Amino acid sequence: AQRVTQPEKLLSVFKGAPVELKCNYSYSGSPELFWYVQYSRQRLQLLLRHISRESIKGFTADLNKGETSFHLKKPFAQEEDSAMYYCAPPQGGSEKLVFGKGTKLTVNP
Amino acid sequence: SQTIHQWPATLVQPVGSPLSLECTVEGTSNPNLYWYRQAAGRGLQLLFYSVGIGQISSEVPQNLSASRPQDRQFILSSKKLLLSDSGFYLCAWGLWFYGYTFGSGTRLTVV
Repeated sequence: AQRVTQPEKLLSVFKGAPVELKCNYSYSGSPELFWYVQYSRQRLQLLLRHISRESIKGFTADLNKGETSFHLKKPFAQEEDSAMYYCAPPQGGSEKLVFGKGTKLTVNP
Repeated sequence: SQTIHQWPATLVQPVGSPLSLECTVEGTSNPNLYWYRQAAGRGLQLLFYSVGIGQISSEVPQNLSASRPQDRQFILSSKKLLLSDSGFYLCAWGLWFYGYTFGSGTRLTVV
């Protein structure tokens, strides 16, 4: 079964500092990975998809097949980035996403 | 545009009582529908998903069940709640490769 590990439950950085939220996956095929974000008192929402090669709110995520990682990065963190972040790979060949346990990011002023 | 509604927002139920949480989607047909439970320190746990009316896949054997009586309606139920059923329940729709849209969630407290 597809598995994803987010090793940090909590991550705290200062405003303007770089931030990296780690995600490691196990998958035998070609993975497609996602990052979801949940801001305080808001719905869980899609942040970005690996397949789109996009940058959303300054965040990027690079798939590293050698390290089986899909870390989320932002060069200069902002206070509004404080949220819960989830990495999610699909369960191969099926209709569902499996979410990691999440990392709570706090950006301090 | 597509929207997803989930209710109630909060619910306090005694142990042994029944449960019914409802989720409806508007603006799309034949959506894939999902129920997740979010618990602190445990992330998002997939409970059930459905690819069509009457088609339910269960991910975790437990005290809960799901039904899809209509195309855009997904119901999470229990006949007798346990304390361990407390949590934050999220409904979602979508296709994994496009991304899910989540409801606002139901905070269930079993007392």
